[in-house]
Amino acid sequence: GAVVSQHPSWVICKSGTSVKIECRSLDFQATTMFWYRQFPKQSLMLMATSNEGSKATYEQGVEKDKFLINHASLTLSTLTVTSAHPEDSSFYICSATPGHTGELFFGEGSRLTVL
Amino acid sequence: AQSVTQLGSHVSVSEGALVLLRCNYSSSVPPYLFWYVQYPNQGLQLLLKYTTGATLVKGINGFEAEFKKSETSFHLTKPSAHMSDAAEYFCAVSDLRYSSASKIIFGSGTRLSIRP
Repeated sequence: GAVVSQHPSWVICKSGTSVKIECRSLDFQATTMFWYRQFPKQSLMLMATSNEGSKATYEQGVEKDKFLINHASLTLSTLTVTSAHPEDSSFYICSATPGHTGELFFGEGSRLTVL
Repeated sequence: AQSVTQLGSHVSVSEGALVLLRCNYSSSVPPYLFWYVQYPNQGLQLLLKYTTGATLVKGINGFEAEFKKSETSFHLTKPSAHMSDAAEYFCAVSDLRYSSASKIIFGSGTRLSIRP
């Protein structure tokens, strides 16, 4: 099946710094990628839909200036957590779809810890 | 609008026993339905999906699910549980057949524990 890779898997940063997480589709082109946030023992919450070559569509309640999403190519989307604070600590997961296949492929997730 | 309800946040079964994880959905259009499994600190892995055609869908690791339109259900089953099945399971619904930009809506998840 199609492979989606996230990097880094783990990141620890100091409060006030910015962190970038990459999501790559390794063997297919993805015009659309999705970013989720998952709190411990909870489901995935969709943060935003990332569209190649255009602005991301954010879900209600998600701060656009806090969570910057860039989808610069058909195989790469990035999520930048700006001026991170401890409450931003979470597990962030991306997914991508090759198109009308009825399936999303998920990255391995990135665990962010803000000290 | 679409939604998913998973009944039971935690299910515990004995090794070798039947696994049944319940999922009901709501969708205004014919849905795509999915079951995903998540192991600790990992992303999601697709177990199986229903798009069209046969309503009984077989997936990986011996799991299967049946799409019942009349009951708006898509319950996940496995005849005999294995210790390695212990994980978090998510049911999901989407209208991806209409747009690749459509969202997948996840249920709240069911944690499956296996007793020796």
